[in-house]
Amino acid sequence: QSALTQPASVSGSPGQSITISCTGTSSDVGGYNYVSWYQQHPGKAPKLMIYDVSNRPSGVSNRFSGSKSGNTASLTISGLQAEDEADYYCSSYTSSSSGVFGGGTKLTVL
Amino acid sequence: QVQLVQSGAEVKKPGASVKVSCKASGYTFTSYGISWVRQAPGQGLEWMGWISAYNGNTNYAQKLQGRVTMTTDTSTSTAYMELRSLRSDDTAVYYCARKLAAGTRFDPWGQGTLVTVSS
Repeated sequence: QSALTQPASVSGSPGQSITISCTGTSSDVGGYNYVSWYQQHPGKAPKLMIYDVSNRPSGVSNRFSGSKSGNTASLTISGLQAEDEADYYCSSYTSSSSGVFGGGTKLTVL
Repeated sequence: QVQLVQSGAEVKKPGASVKVSCKASGYTFTSYGISWVRQAPGQGLEWMGWISAYNGNTNYAQKLQGRVTMTTDTSTSTAYMELRSLRSDDTAVYYCARKLAAGTRFDPWGQGTLVTVSS
C-alpha cells in the first residue's frame, strides 16, 4: 500500500486560511468516507483533528474543516494562529481493510 | 479520562525482538480496537496494524507480515505489539492508539515508546 500524497510544506500568515491536500486512489481515499487528519507538534503524539472526512472530535476548534472530492481529501484551517504550526497527516481506510497515512505536511505560520 | 500509557524505551541488537505494552484506562477496553503506528526519526507516520480488543482479530501491514504480532490481555486492559528480527530501520517511536469504529479514527494516542536497534 503506497502512502497517500501530501505537499511537503505549506505556509500562511496569522488570520489567513490554508488548505492541505491528500491524494490517494479509488482503493482508499476515493472508495471510502474514512479519511482522518492528525496534528503533530514536535516531540508529541499525534492528535485527531478530523475523522470520517469532515467530522470534528469534541474539543477541536471549528477553524479546522475537512472535505473530499474524488480521490483527494483536503484539510482547511481558517483564521491561522501561531499554535497551528505543526505537522499534519492524513490517513485513510483501504480496500485491504488496512490503514495508510500520507507523508505529512509541515505547516509554517509566518 | 481515556488514557493509553506505554512501556518505556528499549535498546535492542539487530536480530532481537521487542515487545511494547499499552495499558488502557478510562473506557471499556473490549469495546474498541487498538492500532499501532510507528515513526522513524525525522520521518512520517507508518500504519503497522490493528487488533480488535473484543475478539482478537488482527490486520497487519503487508511489509511487516511474519515479523509482527499484536495481542491483548483483557484482564489487564493491555495491548501488546511484538516485533521480531529487528533491523536498524526498525528504529522508531512506536505509538498505540484507540481505534474508534471503522476507518482510521485513532483517539487518543499513547505517549510513544522509542525503540532503538543498534549493534
